[in-house]
Amino acid sequence: DAKTTQPPSMDCAEGRAANLPCNHSTISGNEYVYWYRQIHSQGPQYIIHGLKNNETNEMASLIITEDRKSSTLILPHATLRDTAVYYCIVRPLSGSARQLTFGSGTQLTVLP
Amino acid sequence: DTGVSQDPRHKITKRGQNVTFRCDPISEHNRLYWYRQTLGQGPEFLTYFQNEAQLEKSRLLSDRFSAERPKGSFSTLEIQRTEQGDSAMYLCASSLRDSPTDTQYFGPGTRLTVL
Repeated sequence: DAKTTQPPSMDCAEGRAANLPCNHSTISGNEYVYWYRQIHSQGPQYIIHGLKNNETNEMASLIITEDRKSSTLILPHATLRDTAVYYCIVRPLSGSARQLTFGSGTQLTVLP
Repeated sequence: DTGVSQDPRHKITKRGQNVTFRCDPISEHNRLYWYRQTLGQGPEFLTYFQNEAQLEKSRLLSDRFSAERPKGSFSTLEIQRTEQGDSAMYLCASSLRDSPTDTQYFGPGTRLTVL
């Protein structure tokens, strides 16, 4: 079972920031937070990951709360091409659980 | 930089037929994963290889499913005696064991339709 909770859907105006929340209240100390997205009929695309510090790359920023029980993925200037299902996943860095456990994700729709 | 590739992209078959899918991981990635995704759901893990060794299999991987990675490079997933319930997107991902976080990168998937 997925260890994260996400809203099923969100809308965002084109050009505005999209803030996607994720709750992972049972996260363990050795688990990372990963974000992937999946555009319709394509394979999931890696976006970003983090352990406890905020992270930023060319695609997005990841803000993790101090208690690590929730996080927010930020797309600073959403475009129509960012319309996709966004998955928040927690995964241990080591150990036998190598697979990613996907939940239902958040359907982000960027509106013109 | 070549990403993960999968072949074919689409496959339509009749119930009872056997099908085989191929996945070519990112060069030098020693871990390879297969997932299955049905309509409206997130991907579900099927199996995982480290080099040529199949280290983990999900209970979703019934006896009709077999996966191989004979030389530790490409992998094949075969489904025997297909059933309509096998209709799904089959996704392959690869990662580098020795990278700091073992991030998985996915291919475009093979969409299987069983008639």
